[in-house]
Amino acid sequence: AQKVTQAQTEISVVEKEDVTLDCVYETRDTTYYLFWYKQPPSGELVFLIRRNSFDEQNEISGRYSWNFQKSTSSFNFTITASQVVDSAVYFCALSEAQGNDYKLSFGAGTTVTVRA
Amino acid sequence: DAMVIQNPRYQVTQFGKPVTLSCSQTLNHNVMYWYQQKSSQAPKLLFHYYDKDFNNEADTPDNFQSRRPNTSFCFLDIRSPGLGDAAMYLCATSRVKVKEKLFFGSGTQLSVL
Repeated sequence: AQKVTQAQTEISVVEKEDVTLDCVYETRDTTYYLFWYKQPPSGELVFLIRRNSFDEQNEISGRYSWNFQKSTSSFNFTITASQVVDSAVYFCALSEAQGNDYKLSFGAGTTVTVRA
Repeated sequence: DAMVIQNPRYQVTQFGKPVTLSCSQTLNHNVMYWYQQKSSQAPKLLFHYYDKDFNNEADTPDNFQSRRPNTSFCFLDIRSPGLGDAAMYLCATSRVKVKEKLFFGSGTQLSVL
């Protein structure tokens, strides 16, 4: 079963538009961690945010904001006033305990294209 | 400054010819991971080291091996590459296991001819 579902495969917007990336996760754990990573064309995955399951406070970092709702098992990501440099693949990921270990599951990714 | 360094950036090998990809880190992290990422797909964990302890994923083919001679370096060995092994290989590190963020290298794009 898919642990992390990113419903949008591709999103294309014009510069300065807002774009929201959906992420829905599935876990039975009460303690877990959610992440967003950005993968630009250069290939390196860049960490954007980590949220633990006990912290439902939404977060804003510059043009980026995240909406965590445990009631709907969602951790959505919004880019406000998008720029061409935001063009990348964005991955949502879930880290949950497996025995004494933690397992990280990535979603399939959403490709964002921002056109000038 | 790059903290997780992968060499080479592009690697071409022949079908069946062993190939080694390398990863080094300057973060002194305990955990090093190898991921395989095929085009338009999510990264897939192959295995990881926690210090010297090797942890293989259940579905990682025997064709893939890894070595970690010291804290800083980790290698991915593909003993007999097949066409289906062509992919981006990503190395990552974390201070502790994956409840903390991962630091990724830029990856090695492997082509198999």
